[in-house]
Order: sequence, then C-alpha cells, then structure tokens
Amino acid sequence: AQKITQTQPGMFVQEKEAVTLDCTYDTSDQSYGLFWYKQPSSGEMIFLIYQGSYDEQNATEGRYSLNFQKARKSANLVISASQLGDSAMYFCAMRGWMDSSYKLIFGSGTRLLVRP
Amino acid sequence: NAGVTQTPKFRILKIGQSMTLQCAQDMNHNYMYWYRQDPGMGLKLIYYSVGAGITDKGEVPNGYNVSRSTTEDFPLRLELAAPSQTSVYFCASSSGQGPFSDTQYFGPGTRLTVL
Repeated sequence: AQKITQTQPGMFVQEKEAVTLDCTYDTSDQSYGLFWYKQPSSGEMIFLIYQGSYDEQNATEGRYSLNFQKARKSANLVISASQLGDSAMYFCAMRGWMDSSYKLIFGSGTRLLVRP
Repeated sequence: NAGVTQTPKFRILKIGQSMTLQCAQDMNHNYMYWYRQDPGMGLKLIYYSVGAGITDKGEVPNGYNVSRSTTEDFPLRLELAAPSQTSVYFCASSSGQGPFSDTQYFGPGTRLTVL
C-alpha cells in the first residue's frame, strides 16, 4: 500500500536560518506526484510546491525547495531564511493511482516553530 | 475569485442529528473532494467527484453522503451524527488536468463537534 511518512512531529528553527522537513514515501509505481502543504494556526491548507516523479530538477518556489531523491523515495522540503510566519504544520502528500483512481494521500505532518 | 468556500465554519451537533456541510468553488474546476482531519493527523479522503453527477467513495465514506448537481457545489451530508465524526472537514477542488500534477486547492474548513 502507498504511504507517506513524516518522522518529525515537531521542529524548531531560528529566524533567518534554513530548515529541512523530512518526507519519505512508499510506492511501487514509477509515476506519481509529490506535494507540500502548509497549515497555519488559522487552519487553512495552503499549497506550497509540487514535484513530479519524472522531473529531473528539484522544484523551487521562492524560499521553498523540494529535495527529491527518487532512489531513496524521499521528498524533503527545504525552507530558506525562515520567517516567523513560517510557523505552521507542514504536510507532505503524494498523488498516485490507488484503488482504481488517482488519489492524494497525506502524511501526519510536522509542526515547525520559528524562534525570533 | 473566492476560491473554495465552506459553510458553516463551526458547528456542534447532538448524537443522532443530521446536517449538510456546504462547499462551493468558483474556479470552474471539474474535480471536488471532501476530507476529514482528526487531531494531530493528516487528511483522509471521504468522497470525491470528477464532474457533475459523478461521485465516488474515498478511504472513509461510512456515515456520509454526497451529491453533485452542479460544477460549483459539492455538499456533504452527515446522517445520524456520531462522536467519531468529530473532526475538521475540508473541501477541495482541482482542474483534473495532469493525472499526477493535479493540484488541489482547499477551503477554510468546518470544525464539527458531535456531543
């Protein structure tokens, strides 16, 4: 069965430093998509970044980059120059073919706290 | 564009009551989804729809029903509410283009408590 694992329930980072949030996934398929979402304390889910399984370059969106290592089945999110507003829950997700349709499955999340 | 909107934001139900969670999107997306998020957990798919008149079950459909009569709206019906349905409910939509890159955009969520 396909699965997303986020092993860091919580992390701290100092403002202006970089931080890496870990994500590993389990699938036997060659084609899939990987996503990261941010959930601030207000509760909404905000799309951050996407990486396709066949993309040769790591995806970047502003201060967010995705460190994609296909052989290790990892898709870590790197946030550069952390800001206080980055304090939130972060979810890794994978879109793949599951139970006769394309579905998105989520990890359990990592809570990031940015210290001033 | 308002994106994906959900009503109500909060609701308290008694055991056995029923209610409908409303979801609407103005992005002309074909695909719509309902998820639930239990405390400290990721999201789990309840139901989804690939177009008006077409719905299908997700991972946790028991105790819920959906309908999709228009592209814009995708209401979720809870029948005979149970404490196990206490959760935050998210509606999402996507264009359906690109099987793996199809990005879902979420509404603000509805926090439901069943007592």
